[in-house]
Amino acid sequence: NAGVMQNPRHLVRRRGQEARLRCSPMKGHSHVYWYRQLPEEGLKFMVYLQKENIIDESGMPKERFSAEFPKEGPSILRIQQVVRGDSAAYFCASSPPGQGVLDHEQYFGPGTRLTVT
Amino acid sequence: ILNVEQSPQSLHVQEGDSTNFTCSFPSSNFYALHWYRWETAKSPEALFVMTLNGDEKKKGRISATLNTKEGYSYLYIKGSQPEDSATYLCAFAYNTDKLIFGTGTRLQVFP
Repeated sequence: NAGVMQNPRHLVRRRGQEARLRCSPMKGHSHVYWYRQLPEEGLKFMVYLQKENIIDESGMPKERFSAEFPKEGPSILRIQQVVRGDSAAYFCASSPPGQGVLDHEQYFGPGTRLTVT
Repeated sequence: ILNVEQSPQSLHVQEGDSTNFTCSFPSSNFYALHWYRWETAKSPEALFVMTLNGDEKKKGRISATLNTKEGYSYLYIKGSQPEDSATYLCAFAYNTDKLIFGTGTRLQVFP
């Protein structure tokens, strides 16, 4: 059973370009969470999605950031018009159906390290 | 602002020593407390999910306790080994949707 997969592992973008980060959850998992880790900081919650639904996006910056988890295919975190401050490691985690964080641990992917030049 | 504090920030111990760290979280609106282990160049891996006050969980030489009334959890490692070297993260849930992570305790075990 493959773990949570993220690609690309490293992404370099110039200021103003778009960044697309992909996350394939573990087989059978319907909950996807995105986190951001800025340099010298901890993991910060961004968004929680279930298939075709955004459940909680309270950690997402209001502008330029969006996320989706379509019926088919991976979850995508999209950052438009990237700025230097977006440089960070972005981690995706998944969990099986149930009561979210109440009854299941989260399984993390290896992360995508975004560098904005 | 909900805050999760972990202490100490880092810890160096000799192989064979037992050690423990603390996670402090808000005592109101408690839903769950997670512990994760994060080795360098790897992904965080779950250790425990705890929901009940007084809960104690154990996995091998690692165990955790939970006090939701006073807002803390302890993680214990008995007889530390070099392979225990990692950052240990706790994460607090005040609803069913998301976790608030602490910044972790970085453990280094010297042979």
